[in-house]
Amino acid sequence: SQELEQSPQSLIVQEGKNLTINCTSSKTLYGLYWYKQKYGEGLIFLMMLQKGGEEKSHEKITAKLDEKKQQSSLHITASQPSHAGIYLCGAAGGTSYGKLTFGQGTILTVHP
Amino acid sequence: DAGITQSPRYKITETGRQVTLMCHQTWSHSYMFWYRQDLGHGLRLIYYSAAADITDKGEVPDGYVVSRSKTENFPLTLESATRSQTSVYFCASSSQGSVSGNTIYFGEGSWLTVV
Repeated sequence: SQELEQSPQSLIVQEGKNLTINCTSSKTLYGLYWYKQKYGEGLIFLMMLQKGGEEKSHEKITAKLDEKKQQSSLHITASQPSHAGIYLCGAAGGTSYGKLTFGQGTILTVHP
Repeated sequence: DAGITQSPRYKITETGRQVTLMCHQTWSHSYMFWYRQDLGHGLRLIYYSAAADITDKGEVPDGYVVSRSKTENFPLTLESATRSQTSVYFCASSSQGSVSGNTIYFGEGSWLTVV
């Protein structure tokens, strides 16, 4: 079965700093999803990457997919307190059902 | 746009009781999923459904039952609740089974405590 490892497990940064969260898969990535979760709330879809080398951005968040390394990274530029939360990566298997295997999550704290 | 809604949001029940968590989506998505989220385990798939009347087991199906008589609803039933089923349950849906451009949307979660 596919396993995803996220690093770091937790991250504390000062507002304005840049940061990167990594997600490494034990198997080939057919699709990689990034979600954000605030405590007590559901998962908010950020972006999805499908092809090796693909890069997507939304506001100050950029995600890349390195297919050869079976890895994805999420980069936040000039972090703000609103970026705080739990970031989860989810990998789609090679089936047609779109089932996701999730990493453990990275807890991000941004100090003003 | 209601999207995907779960009920109840919070539930406390006793060991041995039957509990049903409801999930309703307004998009007519074909695919629906139930996950549970636990500290130390992350999100794990319980059951999923590709269409009405089609369901299949995920990673941790034991102790759970699902049904999908209508496309928009996907209830999850704990037939005889155990303390190990104390968790946060998330329902999700997507329009297509293929990973190509397939966005998977999640509900806000149902907090279940079994005492």
